[in-house]
Amino acid sequence: DAKTTQPPSMDCAEGRAANLPCNHSTISGNEYVYWYRQIHSQGPQYIIHGLKNNETNEMASLIITEDRKSSTLILPHATLRDTAVYYCIVGVGATNKLIFGTGTLLAVQP
Amino acid sequence: DGGITQSPKYLFRKEGQNVTLSCEQNLNHDAMYWYRQDPGQGLRLIYYSQIVNDFQKGDIAEGYSVSREKKESFPLTVTSAQKNPTAFYLCASSIGGLAVYEQYFGPGTRLTVT
Repeated sequence: DAKTTQPPSMDCAEGRAANLPCNHSTISGNEYVYWYRQIHSQGPQYIIHGLKNNETNEMASLIITEDRKSSTLILPHATLRDTAVYYCIVGVGATNKLIFGTGTLLAVQP
Repeated sequence: DGGITQSPKYLFRKEGQNVTLSCEQNLNHDAMYWYRQDPGQGLRLIYYSQIVNDFQKGDIAEGYSVSREKKESFPLTVTSAQKNPTAFYLCASSIGGLAVYEQYFGPGTRLTVT
């Protein structure tokens, strides 16, 4: 499975967009990009996933570069409740095995 | 409400004792997973099961055992052979199969072994 690289921490002002980057330069053609988040001492929560195209749902947008070597998760209007560790994961769909790294701690400031 | 239940939330055991962590789901999901999380670290896969009566080792299966006798249940036993059992244990489930699906996580069990 490909590995991902994320900054360990980021700050964002409440109400502003949070842009969380992820590098996955060794991603294979059949691997998806997943984003999860984990609020302190809770189980992770799925946010969004994509293969090649940009994706948007009620929680966030996922922008994947054309070469698929990096992606950005966008929270359009961050709130204090969005403070969490955000994990960028690449995985093969057939097995559903996900490898969680250490993620990015996003701190939303009032 | 559909979801995943893990019990208990906190568990304390003496060293040398086996302990079983419960995981139940009513989402009708085929696949279930157990992860371990240590402080400041990401999740690591212990075992996973894609169908009843079948399961595979994950990356850190040593010292752990599982069973999958029912679709809705996937208990994890932490044996005395696990050298560092104190951790946060998370159970998850997904629809599984060949397509891509999200994993749904339970609230976790925090195990402390002294």
